[in-house]
Amino acid sequence: AQSVTQLDSHVSVSEGTPVLLRCNYSSSYSPSLFWYVQHPNKGLQLLLKYTSAATLVKGINGFEAEFKKSETSFHLTKPSAHMSDAAEYFCVVSWTGNTGKLIFGQGTTLQVKP
Amino acid sequence: DAGITQSPRYKITETGRQVTLMCHQTWSHSYMFWYRQDLGHGLRLIYYSAAADITDKGEVPDGYVVSRSKTENFPLTLESATRSQTSVYFCASSELSGGGAYNEQFFGPGTRLTVL
Repeated sequence: AQSVTQLDSHVSVSEGTPVLLRCNYSSSYSPSLFWYVQHPNKGLQLLLKYTSAATLVKGINGFEAEFKKSETSFHLTKPSAHMSDAAEYFCVVSWTGNTGKLIFGQGTTLQVKP
Repeated sequence: DAGITQSPRYKITETGRQVTLMCHQTWSHSYMFWYRQDLGHGLRLIYYSAAADITDKGEVPDGYVVSRSKTENFPLTLESATRSQTSVYFCASSELSGGGAYNEQFFGPGTRLTVL
């Protein structure tokens, strides 16, 4: 079965410090992995995606994630947090033959303190 | 305007009433999806559609009905609303390639439904 686990429900950082949001996945197939961001009272926006090309994926707003098959992880990082990064982040998995369905993690709330 | 829209954005109803949430996309994407978002559960798939007149159940379909007579519209109906259906509902659309794995889904702004 396919699943996603976000290891932290809440992460708090100070502005200008690094961000690390952790995600582990389980998949019987070669997965595609996504990170989505949801700002308060908004819909979801794609940050980045891994689709079996380069294992280090760069996304919008300075975020990046590294696919590590041996660790079944896809952690999201950013070198320096900005106040506007405060939001809910979702790690998501899909796979070939899945007819486009996504499996969502439970989400990580990122708080950025001034 | 191009994109994906949902209406209404906010809805309050009573237990037992029928409610329909609307979703409209302008990209002519083949696939459309309905999710509900609840605290501690992330997003859970209710129903999805691969094309007009083709729909299938997701993870939590009970109590919901969908239809898709036109590619661009995918309404979600709660036939007899219950308090447990109080949630935020998101519609999404996607095109398919690579066997379905690679394409991002584009999300609407959501409908916040309260069932009293």
